[in-house]
Amino acid sequence: SQQGEEDPQALSIQEGENATMNCSYKTSINNLQWYRQNSGRGLVHLILIRSNEREKHSGRLRVTLDTSKKSSSLLITASRAADTASYFCATGEGGSEKLVFGKGMKLTVNP
Amino acid sequence: DAGVIQSPRHEVTEMGQEVTLRCKPISGHDYLFWYRQTMMRGLELLIYFNNNVPIDDSGMPEDRFSAKMPNASFSTLKIQPSEPRDSAVYFCASSPARLAGEQFFGPGTRLTVL
Repeated sequence: SQQGEEDPQALSIQEGENATMNCSYKTSINNLQWYRQNSGRGLVHLILIRSNEREKHSGRLRVTLDTSKKSSSLLITASRAADTASYFCATGEGGSEKLVFGKGMKLTVNP
Repeated sequence: DAGVIQSPRHEVTEMGQEVTLRCKPISGHDYLFWYRQTMMRGLELLIYFNNNVPIDDSGMPEDRFSAKMPNASFSTLKIQPSEPRDSAVYFCASSPARLAGEQFFGPGTRLTVL
């Protein structure tokens, strides 16, 4: 069953611009993770934010988590053509080792 | 480490045939997950193992699907008999952590059932 819902489903921007992707979920979580998938490849983990954290940074990535609104956002700053990929949010739910993935959103960064 | 290894990378078979997908997780990872990805349904968890023991197979679509993990370095997902609706990309992922930690995905097996 789908937990996270990414928004927008597709985003097209110019190189150098910032890209913001949102994720909403329904139940309580231990953590929320973002993954990237390049065409024809497996998913690659980008960043994990725990339920007691509000913001986290990793290089050009910034993730926020608002547990009261059950939502998260992923910001990619100064985007590059190589950032073109599908991005998925995934939630880890209480007491479980499982992750539940959203359907993903496609980011296109035009050179 | 070479990462999670899956074989074959592509499989084309005819309806009714048996298909076996293989996965070698990252050494030292206690958790192994099998996923299926389609355009319509997205990424679905089929089954996962902890220390070679199946923990949750509630995502396995039907009895035609079975998965085993005979040891810590090898797992198989078998479909018998295969059907066209099984066509998808199948991913294996492993994780060292409890409580839904980071997962490391293999490159996937693209299965086409004619």
